[in-house]
Amino acid sequence: AQSVSQHNHHVILSEAASLELGCNYSYGGTVNLFWYVQYPGQHLQLLLKYFSGDPLVKGIKGFEAEFIKSKFSFNLRKPSVQWSDTAEYFCAVKPLNAGNMLTFGGGTRLMVKP
Amino acid sequence: DADVTQTPRNRITKTGKRIMLECSQTKGHDRMYWYRQDPGLGLQLIYYSFDVKDINKGEISDGYSVSRQAQAKFSLSLESAIPNQTALYFCANRTGLLYEQYFGPGTRLTVT
Repeated sequence: AQSVSQHNHHVILSEAASLELGCNYSYGGTVNLFWYVQYPGQHLQLLLKYFSGDPLVKGIKGFEAEFIKSKFSFNLRKPSVQWSDTAEYFCAVKPLNAGNMLTFGGGTRLMVKP
Repeated sequence: DADVTQTPRNRITKTGKRIMLECSQTKGHDRMYWYRQDPGLGLQLIYYSFDVKDINKGEISDGYSVSRQAQAKFSLSLESAIPNQTALYFCANRTGLLYEQYFGPGTRLTVT
C-alpha cells in the first residue's frame, strides 16, 4: 500500500523565518499531489496542488511546493512565515489509475512565534 | 468554496449508543467522502461515494456504515459507538473532473 510521510511532526519558528516541510510518498507511478492547511478550529483548506507541468507550484498566501519525482518528494516552502501561518499542514497524494483514494500524511503542526 | 456542512459540530455519546453524523452539500458534486482525523495520523478515509448507488469502503470502514440518501446528503453512522472512535470527523466532496476535495467544518465526536 502506498504511504505518505511527513517527517516533521512539530515545527516551531519565529516570524520571518523560512519554512520547509517535508513530504515523501511511496507510490512509483504518476501522482497528483496536494498540500492542505488546517487553521486552529477550522476545516482543511487546499493550499496548492500539482497535477502536471512545472514542478514548482505556487499556492495561496505565499506558499510554494516543489515536486521532485526522483526523490518522491513534494516539499512545502515559504520564504518568510507569519504568526497567522500557525496551523497544521497535510500533504496528500493520489496515484493516477490506482483507485480513487487520496492518502494523507500524518500532518505537521507549525507554530510561529510572534 | 463547496458549501459542505456537517451536523452536529460536537457530540458526546456513551459506549454502545448509535449515532449518526450528517453531511450535506449545495454544489451538486457527485463524489462525497467521510474521513476521521486523529493526532499524528492525518486523515483516514472511512467511506466514499461516487453517486447515490455507489458506496465504497475506505481504509478504516469497520464499525461504521454510511447512507447516501440523495446526491446532496451523505450520512455516517456508528452502530455501537466505542471509545476509540473518539475523533474529529470530516466530510468532503469533489467534482469528477479534478481531484480537489472540499472539506466540511468537521464534527468532534467523543465516546465515553
